[in-house]
Amino acid sequence: DTGVSQNPRHKITKRGQNVTFRCDPISEHNRLYWYRQTLGQGPEFLTYFQNEAQLEKSRLLSDRFSAERPKGSFSTLEIQRTEQGDSAMYLCASSLQRPGTSTDTQYFGPGTRLTVL
Amino acid sequence: EDQVTQSPEALRLQEGESSSLNCSYTVSGLRGLFWYRQDPGKGPEFLFTLYSAGEEKEKERLKATLTKKESFLHITAPKPEDSATYLCAVHNQAGTALIFGKGTTLSVSS
Repeated sequence: DTGVSQNPRHKITKRGQNVTFRCDPISEHNRLYWYRQTLGQGPEFLTYFQNEAQLEKSRLLSDRFSAERPKGSFSTLEIQRTEQGDSAMYLCASSLQRPGTSTDTQYFGPGTRLTVL
Repeated sequence: EDQVTQSPEALRLQEGESSSLNCSYTVSGLRGLFWYRQDPGKGPEFLFTLYSAGEEKEKERLKATLTKKESFLHITAPKPEDSATYLCAVHNQAGTALIFGKGTTLSVSS
């Protein structure tokens, strides 16, 4: 069991640049989530995928943010025209949603720390 | 609005000094309450899921309990390696996104 992996682990960029993060979920998991966490706060939900379909987006996900999960495997989160307020830890989680159940257990990756200068 | 509140924000204990962390929640139809541990600079690590009032789960020195309005994480005879931030979360009404509290940062000194 390799767990959820995320790359890169750290990213420093200048304001206005675009950045892309990658998440590789646990292999048999059909759901993939993205969260953002700032210092002293709990993670905040951004968006989630059921297989390759993006089913829910938070109001936190502005037009500058886009996420994809081609073929229902890995996912990417892109931030365009980064702002200093985008500085945060970006966390990916995956889960196995079984038919007939209304809940799942989400397993988190190590996160990508973004610093926007 | 669904909400999770954790207290205290920070807790300092001596090794062996037992205590409890509190998680109060407001949600329409609980679909699961989750406890995670987070070490600095790392992602949350899953500890427990509780689904109904009266349920209890244990793992080593940790024991989680659930009532209709709150959950407690009891730490018995803690060790320095238990130092971390403990996060509580509930599912949203759709059973998808997790709604987290701000966490309790536990420091255990020897």
